[in-house]
Amino acid sequence: AQTVTQSQPEMSVQEAETVTLSCTYDTSESDYYLFWYKQPPSRQMILVIRQEAYKQQNATENRFSVNFQKAAKSFSLKISDSQLGDAAMYFCAYRSGYGNKLVFGAGTILRVKS
Amino acid sequence: ETGVTQSPTHLIKTRGQQVTLRCSSQSGHNTVSWYQQALGQGPQFIFQYYREEENGRGNFPPRFSGLQFPNYSSELNVNALELDDSALYLCASSKRGGRETQYFGPGTRLLVL
Repeated sequence: AQTVTQSQPEMSVQEAETVTLSCTYDTSESDYYLFWYKQPPSRQMILVIRQEAYKQQNATENRFSVNFQKAAKSFSLKISDSQLGDAAMYFCAYRSGYGNKLVFGAGTILRVKS
Repeated sequence: ETGVTQSPTHLIKTRGQQVTLRCSSQSGHNTVSWYQQALGQGPQFIFQYYREEENGRGNFPPRFSGLQFPNYSSELNVNALELDDSALYLCASSKRGGRETQYFGPGTRLLVL
């Protein structure tokens, strides 16, 4: 079974600074997708970024980018120019290429200081 | 384009009761997945409905059941509620049996006393 590990229960960043959230996963599959979701206090899970395992290029969405290291099974999220609105719980998630369910990590709380 | 909606937002039940939670999928989506998120944890997959049929199930007992309707909205039913069923219940809609990106609703907070 696939597992997703987020080793940082909580992180803090100063406004306008950069922060990196870590995620590792375990799978024997070669075809899969990785996601970062953001869950603010409002509870709605919002997709931040998605990475296909077959793509070597790291995904980027505005201030959000990932460092995907397939051999190391690592998928970190970098948030540049952090804003107060980035404060939330961040979840890393895995989906098999042929599967239909998301497997989530335990989450990392991100606090942004002004 | 209408996003994923869920109802109710909160509810309180007592142990042994039954509950029904509802989810309306995003326009153009034919798949609904349900997740249970206990406090301080990541969501856990309950099951998925695709074209009105159950399309995969996580490690949850049979007292968790569901339906999907022709308009692709869905219900999650939980019988014989237990204290440990207290959680945030999230639904996510997508296309193609969950093989496209899943978009989440705001969730239903269930408290079992």
